[in-house]
Amino acid sequence: RKEVEQDPGPFNVPEGATVAFNCTYSNSASQSFFWYRQDCRKEPKLLMSVYSSGNEDGRFTAQLNRASQYISLLIRDSKLSDSATYLCVVNVRSSASKIIFGSGTRLSIRP
Amino acid sequence: DTEVTQTPKHLVMGMTNKKSLKCEQHMGHRAMYWYKQKAKKPPELMFVYSYEKLSINESVPSRFSPECPNSSLLNLHLHALQPEDSALYLCASSQRRGVESGELFFGEGSRLTVL
Repeated sequence: RKEVEQDPGPFNVPEGATVAFNCTYSNSASQSFFWYRQDCRKEPKLLMSVYSSGNEDGRFTAQLNRASQYISLLIRDSKLSDSATYLCVVNVRSSASKIIFGSGTRLSIRP
Repeated sequence: DTEVTQTPKHLVMGMTNKKSLKCEQHMGHRAMYWYKQKAKKPPELMFVYSYEKLSINESVPSRFSPECPNSSLLNLHLHALQPEDSALYLCASSQRRGVESGELFFGEGSRLTVL
């Protein structure tokens, strides 16, 4: 089983729609969680950290459920510029901290 | 613009060549990383340096040899590579290793083609 799993998509939604992605992680030693965004042929960039209490940044809301070991990202009022691959990232603190990327979910927003 | 600089941006090499990828950051970060990314796949961790010491090697073949000359520089020496090693090599840095170190700053990557 992969340490971090995501639905690969692609998600193809109209502009203005709300879209949600989930990510599950297998290692209960995972301690911190993040969503990254990667545009085609570009480097990944941090979108937001995910806190236990849930957090919001504009149109983006991230949630963490430690009991079920999943993380979610909700995008409201989607824009064309939101088209990208969204990567779930987990910092697993076992013998040494390892930052593991999920396989990514591709999102395409259509006009 | 990214604050992590990688050179070269593109590299084509033969299987018998020796080349190096370079990475530089001036944000005072003390953890630096090499990731390998194939098309339509997520970045895969290769090496982690913390305070200039190698702390993680993800069972990477010895034809990849990392080096951290100082806290701002990270090199990846390449020798006798195989065509399947062709990929985007991403360097990243973070302020420190530990619980909060998931905030990685990536360079734009070096796109390597092995013929």
